[in-house]
Amino acid sequence: QSVLTQPPSASGSPGQRVTISCSGSSSNIGKNTVNWYQQLPGTAPKLLIHDNSQRPSGVSDRFSGSKSGTSASLAISGLQSEDEADYYCAAWDDGLNGRWVFGGGTKLTVL
Amino acid sequence: EVQLVESGGGLVQPGRSLRLSCAASGFKFDDYAMHWVRQAPGKGLEWVSGITRNSGSTDYADSVKGRFTISRDNGKNSLYLQMNSLRPEDTALYYCVKDISISSHDSSGYFDYWGQGTLVTVSS
Repeated sequence: QSVLTQPPSASGSPGQRVTISCSGSSSNIGKNTVNWYQQLPGTAPKLLIHDNSQRPSGVSDRFSGSKSGTSASLAISGLQSEDEADYYCAAWDDGLNGRWVFGGGTKLTVL
Repeated sequence: EVQLVESGGGLVQPGRSLRLSCAASGFKFDDYAMHWVRQAPGKGLEWVSGITRNSGSTDYADSVKGRFTISRDNGKNSLYLQMNSLRPEDTALYYCVKDISISSHDSSGYFDYWGQGTLVTVSS
């Protein structure tokens, strides 16, 4: 059971816009920034969004992130076949011992 | 170009030990915190441990606390994970990960580079 909650799957057709949610609590998303990672099949994760909504250099502007309260969202517009991957949200959790926590991951399928 | 190359994985019996290594290059290693993140077969990501840039502080997930020890040698640009009392549930691909921050518990940090991982299988 992951500390951050994501839907296990999402899908969309090429060109569509899809969003992936990430729900947390006051000890993680509620007070700290959210980061998103993309894991293409058979590869290591890659940083996609940091500090809630910031894109690293080289990441397409089709990817955007937002945060409100204890939830965050990743939006992908103009869906492309190469976007088919697993997406993970992550944040620092200020709980008892402090730790980094991830969502369970969302598998995005491009129909 | 930043490179993180893990090694040391393999098949090990429950209760035994294993030491993972990560060779870093392409950045000033001693300027950044480092982490280990693992992924069990077919499962999601789980943060395992982190260490500050000068080894002044370490953090561990509850699932490995007391069994795993993270360390680094800045002179050798290397990160290590000593894993003792291994359990079948420790079976996973272990990634070496670079933080953008100097501290492994900086809430504003994030993981900007990942290695390709080394597979640890705990089985009799």
